[in-house]
Amino acid sequence: AQSVTQLDSQVPVFEEAPVELRCNYSSSVSVYLFWYVQYPNQGLQLLLKYLSGSTLVKGINGFEAEFNKSQTSFHLRKPSVHISDTAEYFCAVRSTGFQKLVFGTGTRLLVSP
Amino acid sequence: DADVTQTPRNRITKTGKRIMLECSQTKGHDRMYWYRQDPGLGLRLIYYSFDVKDINKGEISDGYSVSRQAQAKFSLSLESAIPNQTALYFCATSDPLERGGYSEQFFGPGTRLTVL
Repeated sequence: AQSVTQLDSQVPVFEEAPVELRCNYSSSVSVYLFWYVQYPNQGLQLLLKYLSGSTLVKGINGFEAEFNKSQTSFHLRKPSVHISDTAEYFCAVRSTGFQKLVFGTGTRLLVSP
Repeated sequence: DADVTQTPRNRITKTGKRIMLECSQTKGHDRMYWYRQDPGLGLRLIYYSFDVKDINKGEISDGYSVSRQAQAKFSLSLESAIPNQTALYFCATSDPLERGGYSEQFFGPGTRLTVL
């Protein structure tokens, strides 16, 4: 079975500062990894995904994430955040060959001026 | 128009009442899912359906039932609502696995349910 840990429930940052949202996973099989974003009063939207190949993946809105197999991590980064990035971010894992997603508990990113 | 719609968007009900949440999609996807979101717990899978005749329990199906009326419609029912079912409920859809084994899930806007 897979599991996902997002240690930070809330991350406050100032506008234009860099940010890293942490995600660690556990799985006994190969996995696909995802980051979803949920803006206030909206559903989830896919931010980026790692399926295979390059361990550095780029997503929408300037976000990127790096898959580190040895550390079982998939941290999300952005070099300079905007107020509009204020949202909740969910890391998710799925074993290859099956559709069930397992979500982390989410990290709320709060960007202030 | 949104590809995945959910009705109602908000609902307040009383303990013991029967509630149905509906999900419709225009994406033509075969696979549909119901999740609930609770603060600090993330999203948890309630039920999923890979086609009209294939319905499966997720990790927290107790107290819920579903109906797949058509490829485009997937309803979630609470036969006798209780306060700890107060949550945000999301429907999602996806195609079967694409080449390479991946298919994105698309989420609806959510239904906020409050059980008093």
